[in-house]
Amino acid sequence: EVQLLESGGGLAQPGGSLRLSCAASGFTFSTYVMNWVRQAPGKGLEWVSGISGSGDYTYYADSVKGRFTISRDNSKNTLYLQMNSLRAEDTALYYCAKDRANSIAAAINYWGQGTLVTVSP
Amino acid sequence: DIQMTQSPSSLSASVGDRVTITCRASQGISNYLAWYQQKPGKAPKLLIYAASTLQSGVPSRFSGSGSGTDFTLTISSLQTEDVATYYCHNYNSAPLTFGGGTKVEIK
Repeated sequence: EVQLLESGGGLAQPGGSLRLSCAASGFTFSTYVMNWVRQAPGKGLEWVSGISGSGDYTYYADSVKGRFTISRDNSKNTLYLQMNSLRAEDTALYYCAKDRANSIAAAINYWGQGTLVTVSP
Repeated sequence: DIQMTQSPSSLSASVGDRVTITCRASQGISNYLAWYQQKPGKAPKLLIYAASTLQSGVPSRFSGSGSGTDFTLTISSLQTEDVATYYCHNYNSAPLTFGGGTKVEIK
């Protein structure tokens, strides 16, 4: 059974940093693209970032480019999102999400339950 | 970036009704289109991928169609458990994008 367990969310000040983690199990982690998708309170879904199975290729939404960094440790079956220069508009529930294949052009087929990030003074 | 426009933003229908949700891409995305169902307080669930392929375990009353820029999600006979928000998702190329969502309620 595929399981994705996010952690690391919490309260951060504007301009501050947080590091999210996602522990994966139930599949061969290194052979799938992984993503972060966020959802602001009461709003829709926004894709944030994706990373290839090997970690060689990374992709970002314009809204986070230059501030967030996605990475993965395939030896630990863990996905990360380093979030710097946080803004109030980054406040959201952050989902870890697995693609159906090792391609950014493959639909997301599994989602974690999310970790909440709140950016406030 | 490719914009995804969903309509309607909300709808109310009776149990047993046929429900149709549309999604339009700002440029052609072939069939790189998925549909997700999200119930309150829950993570999204994949219903349809490749525009028309039903994900394993999803009831057959859900179907998808379209290619290029215009796509449709159809619920052939609405059930009470289908109350949720539905999102279309373009995964043709990065940056990936989602539609704004359609909230489905029972009349």
